[in-house]
Formats: sequence, C-alpha cells, structure tokens
Amino acid sequence: DAGITQSPRHKVTETGTPVTLRCHQTENHRYMYWYRQDPGHGLRLIHYSYGVKDTDKGEVSDGYSVSRSKTEDFLLTLESATSSQTSVYFCAISESANFNQPQHFGDGTRLSIL
Amino acid sequence: DQQVKQNSPSLSVQEGRISILNCDYTNSMFDYFLWYKKYPAEGPTFLISISSIKDKNEDGRFTVFLNKSAKHLSLHIVPSQPGDSAVYFCAAKAPRSSGDKLTFGTGTRLAVRP
Repeated sequence: DAGITQSPRHKVTETGTPVTLRCHQTENHRYMYWYRQDPGHGLRLIHYSYGVKDTDKGEVSDGYSVSRSKTEDFLLTLESATSSQTSVYFCAISESANFNQPQHFGDGTRLSIL
Repeated sequence: DQQVKQNSPSLSVQEGRISILNCDYTNSMFDYFLWYKKYPAEGPTFLISISSIKDKNEDGRFTVFLNKSAKHLSLHIVPSQPGDSAVYFCAAKAPRSSGDKLTFGTGTRLAVRP
C-alpha cells in the first residue's frame, strides 16, 4: 500500500469553525490531491498540488484552501465550515503526470459539520 | 455535467458467475481510463487501467474493455468472489490535463452472493 496517512480520521465540528485536514505521504510523490465523496456524486476534486508551494483548483474548490510547504504534507483548510461541507475527504498521490499512472488514495477523513 | 457516468448504482451477482460493470463517458478527449474498488471505511484502491490506444486489458480475473466509438468501457470480473463485493468507480483522464486530474463516475455497488 502507498504510504498515505490522513488525519484526523473522524471529526465533528460546528458551523463557522475553521477545520484543517492533513495528508502525509512517505512516497516522495510530486502530485497530491484532495477529493470529497458524496452520495450521487462519486469523488470530486477540490484542489491539487504539483509541487511544493504549487497548487491549483479543482471542480469544487469554493470554501476550501490548501497549502503544501513540504513534499510530504498537503493540508486542506475549511476557513469557516458549513453544513454543506459535511463529507468524506480523500487525499491521493501520484508520481508523475507525464505518464499514465494511477493515483493512490488514503483511507479518508469523515467530517461532520453540525 | 457528468462527463463520466455509471448508470447502474448497484449490481448483484452469484458467486462464480461473471460481473459486468459499465461506464459511459462524454468527453472524447479522455485517453486513459481506470477502475477503482472501494470497501467501506477505506480509500479507493486502484484495480486496472486501459489506455485509449487499446481495446482490452486483462489482469487475472479482471478485464477492462474499451469501445471508443461508443464512448463506453466495462469491467468484467470472472469468476466473481464474495470478496469482490465493494463499490467500483470508473475514472478518466484527458491528455495533458494539468495535474493529472481524474474525473470519476458515481460508482456501482457490487454484491456477490455466496
């Protein structure tokens, strides 16, 4: 299994509070991604990173920000959580975008916003 | 605008029989397709992929077929085993897509009956 650790695994918080999810990898892969999974939507890309300090938006980026100060860590922040951000969040990594290689996923963070 | 569609939310198959999971796409620029398997409380696990220059790729009990003219791919599992019971996602990538981004379908839940 790819060395990907997501923390926390579960979190319950209140509307309006800031939340930060962490993804840590030990594979030294260049690319890292944050997805959310919701019923009826599959997995949707929030943000991704193609190197340290290099990030870009995905299809559902509103209300989220990311940071990558080290190769191994990719943080997802909800500045002011809303109930619509209740979801399961997955981090993924991939080695290169130059060749067709699969992304590998962490085990997810289940986030509930009350 | 769902570019990757899995129209069957669920499928039930007898152990030992063939499971066929289907996926349709609308973006003719997609050139790499993947299948992921997901168990509850775990992240998606890469299963098999196919490049658009091929029409078939096989790995043990798993075979993926690609029909580009119909914009359709399918995953065949033969023989099906109870451990195959999971949610299966198909995903697609466009060439030179920034950050190696994947577009996922909504998933099909496969139940293999003993």
